[in-house]
Amino acid sequence: SQTIHQWPATLVQPVGSPLSLECTVEGTSNPNLYWYRQAAGRGLQLLFYSIGIDQISSEVPQNLSASRPQDRQFILSSKKLLLSDSGFYLCAWAGGAGVNEQFFGPGTRLTVL
Amino acid sequence: GQQLNQSPQSMFIQEGEDVSMNCTSSSIFNTWLWYKQEPGEGPVLLIALYKAGELTSNGRLTAQFGITRKDSFLNISASIPSDVGIYFCAGPEENNNDMRFGAGTRLTVKP
Repeated sequence: SQTIHQWPATLVQPVGSPLSLECTVEGTSNPNLYWYRQAAGRGLQLLFYSIGIDQISSEVPQNLSASRPQDRQFILSSKKLLLSDSGFYLCAWAGGAGVNEQFFGPGTRLTVL
Repeated sequence: GQQLNQSPQSMFIQEGEDVSMNCTSSSIFNTWLWYKQEPGEGPVLLIALYKAGELTSNGRLTAQFGITRKDSFLNISASIPSDVGIYFCAGPEENNNDMRFGAGTRLTVKP
């Protein structure tokens, strides 16, 4: 069966520091991968999605970036965090073209101070 | 991206009551998905609907894909305290396949 992992689970970082969040998927190959941000009490905002290695699409302009160095690894990064980057970051995978169901990881709670 | 119109925004109900929430869109959807998110966790897929008019159950949960393909509803029967959480609808638009999410319905169940 497929599983999706995210780490760290929680992170407290000062403004201006770098960020690296990791997401890995097991039990499937060539998945579509997604990064979402969820502000407190709000819905999901799509940040990036990837249909394959080194293929990244950005949905919103911001100081975040994403990379997919391996088929089942998706990384969310920032060189300098802003206060507004605080939130709950969710990674999700889907089975590929024509498959609509997305399955979410446990999330990373990021607090920027 | 554009969100679906999900209502109600929140619900406070007594244990044992039935719950109904819905999602509407101005555009046609190919699939409707319903997720539940508990505090501090990622959303979990509850039900997926693939055809207009489809009615699907998962235990005490029932969801329907609207005939117009622009709406869906989720019902929970005989609610229990562990039903507490935020319920999201989601789906890909027919024309561009981008996944859209509702803003969520926050459910509180009082024992």
